[in-house]
Amino acid sequence: GQQVMQIPQYQHVQEGEDFTTYCNSSTTLSNIQWYKQRPGGHPVFLIQLVKSGEVKKQKRLTFQFGEAKKNSSLHITATQTTDVGTYFCAGNAGKSTFGDGTTLTVKP
Amino acid sequence: SAVISQKPSRDICQRGTSLTIQCQVDSQVTMMFWYRQQPGQSLTLIATANQGSEATYESGFVIDKFPISRPNLTFSTLTVSNMSPEDSSIYLCSVPGQGTFNYNEQFFGPGTRLTVL
Repeated sequence: GQQVMQIPQYQHVQEGEDFTTYCNSSTTLSNIQWYKQRPGGHPVFLIQLVKSGEVKKQKRLTFQFGEAKKNSSLHITATQTTDVGTYFCAGNAGKSTFGDGTTLTVKP
Repeated sequence: SAVISQKPSRDICQRGTSLTIQCQVDSQVTMMFWYRQQPGQSLTLIATANQGSEATYESGFVIDKFPISRPNLTFSTLTVSNMSPEDSSIYLCSVPGQGTFNYNEQFFGPGTRLTVL
């Protein structure tokens, strides 16, 4: 079955440092979504990528979808304490499969 | 985005009992999803609930354990039956974004945190 792997599992950074999480699928995806879950909260939709090689930006967040539509990344520039949480990718190849998430902590 | 509420927000239950979780959406949606998120883990899809038809369960989940109702386009319930401590999880419902029909962007309810003693 479809598998979506996400690395790293945890990332601890100093405020102001950059952060990247990577998502890899065992199968070619139709699209991929990214979600953020704050501690104690529920997943909140961030963005969807559909096209091969697509790059989208939301302020300090940059999302990329690989040319083969099997991998994706989320990059945060100059992290802030408000960025803490777990970031999940969800790959869609007929149904959505969530990655295991990357938990980001930011030291002020 | 849809506004989704869930009841209860949390509960502590005894082994062997059942709990029904309600999910209410502020707009009509064809598909609703039920997920389980065990502590510190990712989200696992339990089933997809379409109004007017039987829910579709994912591998490892069965109707006898997780019966689902979908009486109309804005409401669904998930029952966790004959609970054991292994059922302790957060249960979340979600709906697709407006204009989408399947597994694209999803909007999640606040979740129900279940603890089984």
